Amino acid sequence: QIQLVQSGPELKKPGESVKISCKASGYTFTDYAMHWVKQAPGKGLKWMGWINTYTGKPTYADDFKGRFVFSLEASASTANLQISNLKNEDTATYFCAPYNSGYGFAYWGQGTLVTVSS
Amino acid sequence: DVLMTQTPVSLPVSLGGQVSISCRSSQSLVHSDGNTYLHWYLQKPGQSPQLLIYRVSNRFSGVPDRFSGSGSGTDFTLKISRVEPEDLGVYYCLQSTHFPLTFGSGTKLEIK
Repeated sequence: QIQLVQSGPELKKPGESVKISCKASGYTFTDYAMHWVKQAPGKGLKWMGWINTYTGKPTYADDFKGRFVFSLEASASTANLQISNLKNEDTATYFCAPYNSGYGFAYWGQGTLVTVSS
Repeated sequence: DVLMTQTPVSLPVSLGGQVSISCRSSQSLVHSDGNTYLHWYLQKPGQSPQLLIYRVSNRFSGVPDRFSGSGSGTDFTLKISRVEPEDLGVYYCLQSTHFPLTFGSGTKLEIK
């Protein structure tokens, strides 16, 4: 069955960096683009962008250009999200989800909570 | 960007009752390929969102037929009949016709 397992919670200070991983199994990793979604505490869902798992090309939503980097370890069926120069407003749960044009986001990772606090 | 206006924000319901959630988009969600990429999700407390309805009206695998989606163009509705305790949580619509993808702001279904 399809599973997406994300790395564990992170506690960071402002200005630090964090890297979140999302390991996929149960399907061919390169068949579906991997998307990332942010959810601040008590807030709604915000789409961050996606990475083409075949070519490795990332595409970022406007609010996530600059400090956010999507990458792959395709041999390990893993997508990564790195956030640099962390700010308090980056405190959120980050979800990965492969996109299927028929279904949209049918499967999601369990989410990774990143807390930024001095 | 396509603005997704979801109403109501909060929806008190009695168990066994029926409710509707509206999602309106600021522009048509009909893709050039003829499909309409409007989906519905339920996020239960402390969990990831789960897909209920894809492409307006198609129930995802395992989703009870108490859930139904309808609509076209810019106006979409999710109906839940015979509400059960497991249906409680926050419902979101998502459009993936246009980039950037955008979510509705959510509707919290709670017990009256």
